Amino acid sequence: QVQLQESGPGLVKPSVTLSLSCTVSGGSVSNGAYYWTWIRQPPGKGLEWIGYIYGTGSTNYNPSLRGRVTISVDTSKNQFSLRVTSVTAADRAVYYCARGSGSGNYHFDLWGRGTPVSVSS
Amino acid sequence: SSELTQDPAVSVALGQTVRITCQGDSLRRYYASWYQQRPGQAPVLLVYNQNNRPSGIPDRFSGSTSGNTASLTISGAQAEDEADYYCSSRDTSDNRVFGGGTKLTVL
Repeated sequence: QVQLQESGPGLVKPSVTLSLSCTVSGGSVSNGAYYWTWIRQPPGKGLEWIGYIYGTGSTNYNPSLRGRVTISVDTSKNQFSLRVTSVTAADRAVYYCARGSGSGNYHFDLWGRGTPVSVSS
Repeated sequence: SSELTQDPAVSVALGQTVRITCQGDSLRRYYASWYQQRPGQAPVLLVYNQNNRPSGIPDRFSGSTSGNTASLTISGAQAEDEADYYCSSRDTSDNRVFGGGTKLTVL
């Protein structure tokens, strides 16, 4: 059974770079049938797609965040990661990693439990 | 436009049927998927590819599309269905997008 588990600092200072990782267990990030996604949810608000990566390294990012976010994959650790530069209070959210599936039409069939991130000096 | 619009809140009497809608131009071309999120929990996939359910999702959840509107129908709503519901789809640039979410209250 494939599971996803996010990990990260929990609290970061404004203007620094936030780094989060998602460990995939029971499956491989290199499986070409899937892509690996980051999604976030500010307190009391809806879901926001951040971006995704395929095991090949091909990426796509939310246009509203492009330039500040980078998603990478480490096949040796079976992980994928998110970096968000120059964080502000607006980046405070629960960050979810999820597995994307489908062809032409896509869906997120597996989610991690989420990791909360606060931004404060 | 790649935006998806949902009603912020919907209510249904216990055991009755409710439809939650999601509007957007991209839905004329691409299917929506639907997610349920209970308080403090991660979202769970309910319906994808028009009207497919993952294993373990009750058959009282169903999906449909007409024009630019996708719908999630809950037939015979249960108390445990009280949650937030999100639609999601893609656009022509292969970006993913979520609707703003609908809070379902079961009366």
